[in-house]
Amino acid sequence: AQKITQTQPGMFVQEKEAVTLDCTYDTSDPSYGLFWYKQPSSGEMIFLIYQGSYDQQNATEGRYSLNFQKARKSANLVISASQLGDSAMYFCAMREGLNSGGSNYKLTFGKGTLLTVNP
Amino acid sequence: NAGVTQTPKFRILKIGQSMTLQCAQDMNHNYMYWYRQDPGMGLKLIYYSVGAGITDKGEVPNGYNVSRSTTEDFPLRLELAAPSQTSVYFCASSYHPTGDEVAGELFFGEGSRLTVL
Repeated sequence: AQKITQTQPGMFVQEKEAVTLDCTYDTSDPSYGLFWYKQPSSGEMIFLIYQGSYDQQNATEGRYSLNFQKARKSANLVISASQLGDSAMYFCAMREGLNSGGSNYKLTFGKGTLLTVNP
Repeated sequence: NAGVTQTPKFRILKIGQSMTLQCAQDMNHNYMYWYRQDPGMGLKLIYYSVGAGITDKGEVPNGYNVSRSTTEDFPLRLELAAPSQTSVYFCASSYHPTGDEVAGELFFGEGSRLTVL
């Protein structure tokens, strides 16, 4: 079974509107972290936001927020007031066993969602 | 701030040739990683290292080797290149202080596009 599932291969949004990118995860570990990365057409990977499994509040970073629903094992990224520069590939990723150290610091990535912002 | 530096950015290899992708970070991060990105497949972990002298296999290690002789450098060696190794390779690093729970986000290099013909 895939650990990270991003069901939307592509999404379209109008400039200035909000958009939600879906991410569900699969883990039996009680301690884990969820990450979102942005990959523009230039290819670099840009860290956007992080949510720890024990965090009481949903993470926010500027126009990015993470809708974390632990019982549903979902960690959707919400981008408010979309801009043309938000057009990119977005990856959800998970790190399991945060308190176990060692080999559990690696990230497992989903296949990504290609977001296109229309003017 | 250089961050994570990868070289070369582009390379074309013939089947059976070997090469090394170089990766260096100047952030004193203890963890380093090599991922490959195939079209539509996300990133898959090849190898990772938790510190100098320590390396371990990831999800897709076959056909690759790594070494970590210093904290800064983590080269990826491709032996006997095959067309299946055509991909974009990303080196990354992260910092995990002992006893502290931190996000430890990965910092990525700009990627190396490798084509094997």
